[in-house]
Amino acid sequence: GAGVSQSPSNKVTEKGKDVELRCDPISGHTALYWYRQSLGQGLEFLIYFQGNSAPDKSGLPSDRFSAERTGGSVSTLTIQRTQQEDSAVYLCASSGYTRSSYEQYFGPGTRLTVT
Amino acid sequence: AQSVTQLDSQVPVFEEAPVELRCNYSSSVSVYLFWYVQYPNQGLQLLLKYLSGSTLVKSINGFEAEFNKSQTSFHLRKPSVHISDTAEYFCAVTGKGTSGSRLTFGEGTQLTVNP
Repeated sequence: GAGVSQSPSNKVTEKGKDVELRCDPISGHTALYWYRQSLGQGLEFLIYFQGNSAPDKSGLPSDRFSAERTGGSVSTLTIQRTQQEDSAVYLCASSGYTRSSYEQYFGPGTRLTVT
Repeated sequence: AQSVTQLDSQVPVFEEAPVELRCNYSSSVSVYLFWYVQYPNQGLQLLLKYLSGSTLVKSINGFEAEFNKSQTSFHLRKPSVHISDTAEYFCAVTGKGTSGSRLTFGEGTQLTVNP
């Protein structure tokens, strides 16, 4: 079946603008994660959604970052007033609520460049 | 909390040579361990995982890793590499019972296989 998809694949924005990044998880997966991959910081966890539970936002680097998940499926990561240090590849992953729930399937990522 | 250390940032090898990519972790709780691979311009793919049972786990393309609890290691090995194995490899850990199975990644090891 279809894997995790993300859009856009590339985004160039000016410093101070807001951006929205979208993630479509694998159909039926109840858990959804956002990670960020950047030079110097490696891969870091941002936020986690599981079903209807309150999201785990403990990895968000500042209050400029927020995310929502509508209808338990699609998720949007929003970065307000972007800064150059926000430039990175933003990765989304999903997993199922079964014995294989520890296997996370990653999307191709959105490369964000803040100029 | 968990942490992961990948001891080598770059590993160059010749084709058909053996390779070992080292990974050590730190955790106050029992863990699940993973190796992910990222080919150039592609997303993260799960290579293999240790959840329970046999401490030696294998992938379909000839890689294997052994969980060593006493040494807190999960090194990745392949007896004979191919040019196509050139990629970045990430070791990751999640604590059993951790909220949402969020992954903590190492810094990555770039494996370059030369002819």
